[in-house]
Amino acid sequence: AQSVTQLGSHVSVSEGALVLLRCNYSSSVPPYLFWYVQYPNQGLQLLLKYTTGATLVKGINGFEAEFKKSETSFHLTNPSAHMSDAAAYFCAVTTNSGYSTLTFGKGTMLLVSP
Amino acid sequence: NAGVTQTPKFRVLKTGQSMTLLCAQDMNHEYMYWYRQDPGMGLRLIHYSVGEGTTAKGEVPDGYNVSRLKKQNFLLGLESAAPSQTSVYFCASRPGQPYEQYFGPGTRLTVT
Repeated sequence: AQSVTQLGSHVSVSEGALVLLRCNYSSSVPPYLFWYVQYPNQGLQLLLKYTTGATLVKGINGFEAEFKKSETSFHLTNPSAHMSDAAAYFCAVTTNSGYSTLTFGKGTMLLVSP
Repeated sequence: NAGVTQTPKFRVLKTGQSMTLLCAQDMNHEYMYWYRQDPGMGLRLIHYSVGEGTTAKGEVPDGYNVSRLKKQNFLLGLESAAPSQTSVYFCASRPGQPYEQYFGPGTRLTVT
């Protein structure tokens, strides 16, 4: 079984500040990890993913995440928050089994103030 | 490409009524999924399909049925709606690899 824990249902930052959204996962086999973003009243959009290879992955809009196996973490960062980054962020885990499904965390709402 | 589309966008039902939500994708994806999203709960998997003519139960399947008669369509049915099924429903699809799912815009369902 797999699971995802996102620490903090809400994170508030000032525009231009560092963004750090935390994600820890549990998986009995090597995981594939994803971050999705959801803007108000929209569906989910893929931000970035880790499957194999380089543990630091870069996504859209300046976001990046680092896979740390020893810490079972996949935290999302952005060095400089923009007002347009205000959204809900979801971490998700799956495995490389063909029938494997995605398990989502409960999400973190990022609030950006001017 | 339209990607993943969902019909309808909004719906209000009375308790006991039935309805069908339609999900369509034009990317020739094998896998399709139905999720519900509730405040503070993230997305929870209702049912999924690994190919035309196949379906399987997810985390919260009770009260829902699905069908995948055509590869591009995945239908979610509520036979007798209950207020607990008030939610936002998302459909998603993916190819075999690299496992990322593509989401539709969602259907907001209210059951009174």
